[in-house]
Amino acid sequence: DAGVTQSPTHLIKTRGQHVTLRCSPISGHKSVSWYQQVLGQGPQFIFQYYEKEERGRGNFPDRFSARQFPNYSSELNVNALLLGDSALYLCASSLAYSSYNSPLHFGNGTRLTVT
Amino acid sequence: GQQLNQSPQSMFIQEGEDVSMNCTSSSIFNTWLWYKQDPGEGPVLLIALYKAGELTSNGRLTAQFGITRKDSFLNISASIPSDVGIYFCAGRLTAGKSTFGDGTTLTVKP
Repeated sequence: DAGVTQSPTHLIKTRGQHVTLRCSPISGHKSVSWYQQVLGQGPQFIFQYYEKEERGRGNFPDRFSARQFPNYSSELNVNALLLGDSALYLCASSLAYSSYNSPLHFGNGTRLTVT
Repeated sequence: GQQLNQSPQSMFIQEGEDVSMNCTSSSIFNTWLWYKQDPGEGPVLLIALYKAGELTSNGRLTAQFGITRKDSFLNISASIPSDVGIYFCAGRLTAGKSTFGDGTTLTVKP
């Protein structure tokens, strides 16, 4: 079975540009979450989507947005990129929104470098 | 916001030794999770704990969910070179939102 897949794997952008990152969850998983991992730190929660609706948002500016499609795949968009947005962006899927025994399964991430 | 304190930050051990790392929080969580991350990859789930006091094993790994629901530990017995990596604890309230510690970097000397 395929795990969580993310594209692209690496990306280099210039300050002020816009970026779109894509994620396909594990088959059967309806919830997708996005995390930002800066070098040397643990992942930081950005968004959770379930059934195409935003179910949670972390402490990130409005430049960050996301959406979920009917097939449960998701996109993360970041506008007006800053140098500090350089990080590994991780997508994770889980079976359900609130099921207590539904742990996150992560993809290998998209490495974004902003120059 | 919720903060997790994970310790130690790094460990250098000999192959065959046992390892212990822990996480503490000022907040209560419903679930504690332990992940391992290798370079260039996403975190991989090792153990999930769902009840206060729960002790769970996965091969040479053992983890416990603290009684207060504010802490958890992970033990690795008889370490081997492939145990090298970064170990993260995570506390969770809802299925998608987890709060992560900053990781314990484990180095195993053959």
